[in-house]
Amino acid sequence: SYELTQPPSVSVSPGQTASITCSGDKLGDKYACWYQQKPGQSPVLVIYEDFKRPSGIPERFSGSNSGNTATLTISGTQAMDEADYYCQAWDSNSVVFGGGTKLTVL
Amino acid sequence: QVQLQESGPGLIKPSQTLSLTCTVSGGSIRSSGYLWNWIRQPAGKGLEWIGRMFISGSINYNPALKSRVTMSVDTSKNQLSLKLNSVTAADTAVYYCASEPITARIPYFDSWGQGTLVTVSS
Repeated sequence: SYELTQPPSVSVSPGQTASITCSGDKLGDKYACWYQQKPGQSPVLVIYEDFKRPSGIPERFSGSNSGNTATLTISGTQAMDEADYYCQAWDSNSVVFGGGTKLTVL
Repeated sequence: QVQLQESGPGLIKPSQTLSLTCTVSGGSIRSSGYLWNWIRQPAGKGLEWIGRMFISGSINYNPALKSRVTMSVDTSKNQLSLKLNSVTAADTAVYYCASEPITARIPYFDSWGQGTLVTVSS
């Protein structure tokens, strides 16, 4: 079955740029999306179809996908961005999630 | 976007069948232009997709759960339902329903319910 691999944790200083990666075989040939989940809350879609932002998501969130890696980039990271982030793709008629990355804003 | 609200038993015993309902508001299941998904998350762990269905009856299930899962829709109540049989402690999780726009190039979930915790324990 298809697998998506994320780093368990990423740390960033306030105001700096955070990059969270998601790796999968030929992921760049598929589409990727990203969710943010804060403690005790439901996930929120922040990026879909590689780089598109849903309405209401700040411009500091951006996405890219090429080769075997999709990347979620948060520019000018704020304390409110501290959360778990999950990537997601579609393969063989199944939705696949990455294991999640805990973003810490130090 | 539609709003989603899950409901369920909270606690069930091993080997029983888990039954959950998701009530959709802000649009009709029949004509809202969405597919409907169930996703779960064990405490402290990641997301696991369970399955998706369209009002036409088209369904995809997670291969790992397919033998135990049934999804259905009650259009008269604007509700989705999930049944998972022969549950074990490994099925303990928060269960979410989520909407997937029909126009999506790949499934993605633009609206989620608040989730309902299901604990499997004797």
